[in-house]
Amino acid sequence: SQTIHQWPATLVQPVGSPLSLECTVEGTSNPNLYWYRQAAGRGLQLLFYSVGIGQISSEVPQNLSASRPQDRQFILSSKKLLLSDSGFYLCAWSVRGGKETQYFGPGTRLLVL
Amino acid sequence: KNEVEQSPQNLTAQEGEFITINCSYSVGISALHWLQQHPGGGIVSLFMLSSGKKKHGRLIATINIQEKHSSLHITASHPRDSAVYICAVRVQGAQKLVFGQGTRLTINP
Repeated sequence: SQTIHQWPATLVQPVGSPLSLECTVEGTSNPNLYWYRQAAGRGLQLLFYSVGIGQISSEVPQNLSASRPQDRQFILSSKKLLLSDSGFYLCAWSVRGGKETQYFGPGTRLLVL
Repeated sequence: KNEVEQSPQNLTAQEGEFITINCSYSVGISALHWLQQHPGGGIVSLFMLSSGKKKHGRLIATINIQEKHSSLHITASHPRDSAVYICAVRVQGAQKLVFGQGTRLTINP
């Protein structure tokens, strides 16, 4: 069966510090991968998605970046965090192509102080 | 105006009541998803619809493509159904999902 992992589960970081959140998927190959953010009291917002290694599409311009160094690994990064980066970050995967269900990871709660 | 609107934003009901959560959208879609987010934050996919109706246990989801509207129903509601229910649509020709703001459901015993 397929599983999706995210770490860390929670993170408290000072403004201006770097960020690296990791997401890995097991039990499937060539998945579509997604990073979402859910700010406090707001809906989910797609940040990045990837249809293959090294292929990243950005939905919202910001100080975050994403990379996909391996087929089942998706990394969300920042060089300098802003207060507004606080939120709940969710990684998801789906079978490539079509309109398939997306499966979400457990999420990382980030607080920038 | 958001492309996906849910109503109500908050809903409190007694155990056993029949629950309806509504979702309207303004874009062409290839599929509509209903998701459940528990207090810890984890999200579970409940349904994916492109037409008609689907049922899973006490949960029923319907969609009317012409009216651009979907409903999620919960029969014989239970306190463990308390969660945020999120409607999301896959825009035609796109990979991304567009999400509603969610409906916070609280079922009291």
